[in-house]
Amino acid sequence: KAGVTQTPRYLIKTRGQQVTLSCSPISGHRSVSWYQQTPGQGLQFLFEYFSETQRNKGNFPGRFSGRQFSNSRSEMNVSTLELGDSALYLCASSGAEETQYFGPGTRLLVL
Amino acid sequence: DAKTTQPPSMDCAEGRAANLPCNHSTISGNEYVYWYRQIHSQGPQYIIHGLKNNETNEMASLIITEDRKSSTLILPHATLRDTAVYYCIARYNTDKLIFGTGTRLQVFP
Repeated sequence: KAGVTQTPRYLIKTRGQQVTLSCSPISGHRSVSWYQQTPGQGLQFLFEYFSETQRNKGNFPGRFSGRQFSNSRSEMNVSTLELGDSALYLCASSGAEETQYFGPGTRLLVL
Repeated sequence: DAKTTQPPSMDCAEGRAANLPCNHSTISGNEYVYWYRQIHSQGPQYIIHGLKNNETNEMASLIITEDRKSSTLILPHATLRDTAVYYCIARYNTDKLIFGTGTRLQVFP
């Protein structure tokens, strides 16, 4: 069974721009969660989607948003990028057993 | 979610068992103990989880004390590729994962 895939793997943007990251979950998984990892804050939860609905949300500003499609694929968007948004963005999917499996991440650099 | 406490770093000789401890003294009855590891700049990798009983899979064994206030992850024969940061997380099954600072395990030849 293929694992979680994320695209793109690397991305460079400038301040003020917006970015969209994509996540394809493991086949059959309906839940997708997003996390941000920075050296200073560690791994932090952004939000979770289940059956196209946001089920849980972390403590991030409204510039961070997400959505999930009917095929369970998910996207997250960050608008008006700031230097501090430079991070590794991780997506995890889970099925009925609720164990989260992570993708390789998208490394975003904001200049 | 219960807070977990792990030593910041540990060393282990290649081929020996690596025993990684975790304290979760405030864990509730319905919270599972999950273990993940993260090799440098990769996505966290799920290792194992358990509720009350000891668990074993192809990667590791998880020993949970009877009072559930602590647990130990055992890698029976550590290899250099097991060098990583290991995270112990107490979690309700449908809840988000809250990562602490983990234990940095260094396996040396």
